[in-house]
Amino acid sequence: GESVGLHLPTLSVQEGDNSIINCAYSNSASDYFIWYKQESGKGPQFIIDIRSNMDKRQGQRVTVLLNKTVKHLSLQIAATQPGDSAVYFCAENPPYNTDKLIFGTGTRLQVFP
Amino acid sequence: ETGVTQSPTHLIKTRGQQVTLRCSSQSGHNTVSWYQQALGQGPQFIFQYYREEENGRGNFPPRFSGLQFPNYSSELNVNALELDDSALYLCASSFGRTAEQFFGPGTRLTVL
Repeated sequence: GESVGLHLPTLSVQEGDNSIINCAYSNSASDYFIWYKQESGKGPQFIIDIRSNMDKRQGQRVTVLLNKTVKHLSLQIAATQPGDSAVYFCAENPPYNTDKLIFGTGTRLQVFP
Repeated sequence: ETGVTQSPTHLIKTRGQQVTLRCSSQSGHNTVSWYQQALGQGPQFIFQYYREEENGRGNFPPRFSGLQFPNYSSELNVNALELDDSALYLCASSFGRTAEQFFGPGTRLTVL
């Protein structure tokens, strides 16, 4: 069935370190991927996206890497800050329904001083 | 620019009742998608409305229904509530039928 999974349910990092959050997706034909950040009591917030014709995309302190060969997606956060503490979701856009997003269960990022 | 807003923030209902949740899309957006997020899970797609018509539906029973109005705001209706309907209901808006969706804060529904 459809699924977007995450390898680690919780990731703890020290403030200032880099964070890497991983995600596996199941549909090799998916052509659009998004990372969302969800803080407690709030809706998901768009962080960065990438299309399947790219391997890497950079934003402000964040980088998304896409490895289509192994159907793997990662989000790298540089110089992690306490404000980065949240649950991070990757979402996949299946090719047969351009408007539907399939989310994984999420990774909780905890930043400690 | 106004973001996506949802009402109410919290809601408590009992089994068998009906509920209506509301969403105002972000300014300039004409598409609204609804998601159900159970505790500790990722959002699950319910359906999407584009130009007042349902445009895709996830694996949810017919007792989940919706509407979109000419101003692109939307309602999610759930009939015959069940305990498992307890969740955070998220609305997301976008411009056109794209996947770049912007989410509201959600409505927390508790069914007792």
